[in-house]
Amino acid sequence: DAKTTQPTSMDCAEGRAANLPCNHSTISGNEYVYWYRQIHSQGPQYIIHGLKNNETNEMASLIITEDRKSSTLILPHATLRDTAVYYCIVNQGSGGGADGLTFGKGTHLIIQP
Amino acid sequence: DTAVSQTPKYLVTQMGNDKSIKCEQNLGHDTMYWYKQDSKKFLKIMFSYNNKELIINETVPNRFSPKSPDKAHLNLHINSLELGDSAVYFCASSQAGLARTYEQYFGPGTRLTVT
Repeated sequence: DAKTTQPTSMDCAEGRAANLPCNHSTISGNEYVYWYRQIHSQGPQYIIHGLKNNETNEMASLIITEDRKSSTLILPHATLRDTAVYYCIVNQGSGGGADGLTFGKGTHLIIQP
Repeated sequence: DTAVSQTPKYLVTQMGNDKSIKCEQNLGHDTMYWYKQDSKKFLKIMFSYNNKELIINETVPNRFSPKSPDKAHLNLHINSLELGDSAVYFCASSQAGLARTYEQYFGPGTRLTVT
């Protein structure tokens, strides 16, 4: 019973914005949306997270719909080094516990030169 | 200056052996984790641990045991290794707190091959 749904793969041209969608229609009011990525042969890397409001950091922007049932991760100017599997994760518990992350299959983003 | 480090990076061993993988974090985090990524690339939590509690994923065999000598280290011991244990093992850490628990920082991974 996956909590998130993502496309299996996406292509994006280098220099363009990469927009990665995620559906999480069963998200609870106190659950956050997290994004991670895993570049080939490396450990997963935290990107960004949000609850209700849109968020931006040095890596990406996170847009969450008003009903919180979906979100979009935006890489504003994709480079070849952004080729990776991107995971959208909704946290499991009510918070505070040492729970692990549940990774789905993610979206394999391929940046084309 | 590596935040989460693991040793060794590669580990090749025979069935039935006992081995350990070490993990250290210099982020001052109080919670550490072990994940397993199998050949199909699925990442699954094995353990999470802080100074108060150890949470074990119920699917993890009791041949696997985490050992934490201090807050900055969480080592993974594996007894009687089996072929199916071959995978990449990732250590991670995070700070406690509602949202920050899930802001985890991962090590580079240890590729374990059991022959």
